[in-house]
Amino acid sequence: KQEVTQIPAALSVPEGENLVLNCSFTDSAIYNLQWFRQDPGKGLTSLLLIQSSQREQTSGRLNASLDKSSGRSTLYIAASQPGDSATYLCGPKAAGNKLTFGGGTRVLVKP
Amino acid sequence: GAVVSQHPSWVICKSGTSVKIECRSLDFQATTMFWYRQFPKQSLMLMATSNEGSKATYEQGVEKDKFLINHASLTLSTLTVTSAHPEDSSFYICSADPAGEVYNEQFFGPGTRLTVL
Repeated sequence: KQEVTQIPAALSVPEGENLVLNCSFTDSAIYNLQWFRQDPGKGLTSLLLIQSSQREQTSGRLNASLDKSSGRSTLYIAASQPGDSATYLCGPKAAGNKLTFGGGTRVLVKP
Repeated sequence: GAVVSQHPSWVICKSGTSVKIECRSLDFQATTMFWYRQFPKQSLMLMATSNEGSKATYEQGVEKDKFLINHASLTLSTLTVTSAHPEDSSFYICSADPAGEVYNEQFFGPGTRLTVL
């Protein structure tokens, strides 16, 4: 059974700092991995999709890396802004097209 | 990107009543939809996989007679919480995979907040 761990659980930084969010998963037989953002009381917004054959994916200030063999992915957010404050979730997709989620990282960017 | 909607966005009901939540893929067909539950300050837990035209597959520990799932078409799945109790109060989120596209991203609905009094 896939287990996902996200470290740190919470992160508070001043505006402008770079953010590093870590995700580890136990079953490396994945199709892809998605990073999501969730605002309080809202659904999930997909940020990045990285295929199992890829090492890296970029979108604007966001960059995600994937090391499938070691079961790790990292989300980097450059030059953080207060609007980046949210909970970030990673979800590797495995057999049955199921996504498994970690506990998330709660990010607070202070102006 | 593709859009998944949920209805209602929130619902309050009395203990013992049943509540139906709809999940629709608006601009794509989804042979598979997923239902998640999220308690406050916790992550999403997969409840069941909804397959168009066949029975849903439930995760371990989820009561299939309590959480009825119907995937009647390629764009609609419904979750009915039967005889709801206060402990069923939660945030229910659905997601959908575009048909036949295992390597594509999964799209999530905005969630439904259920409060059982």
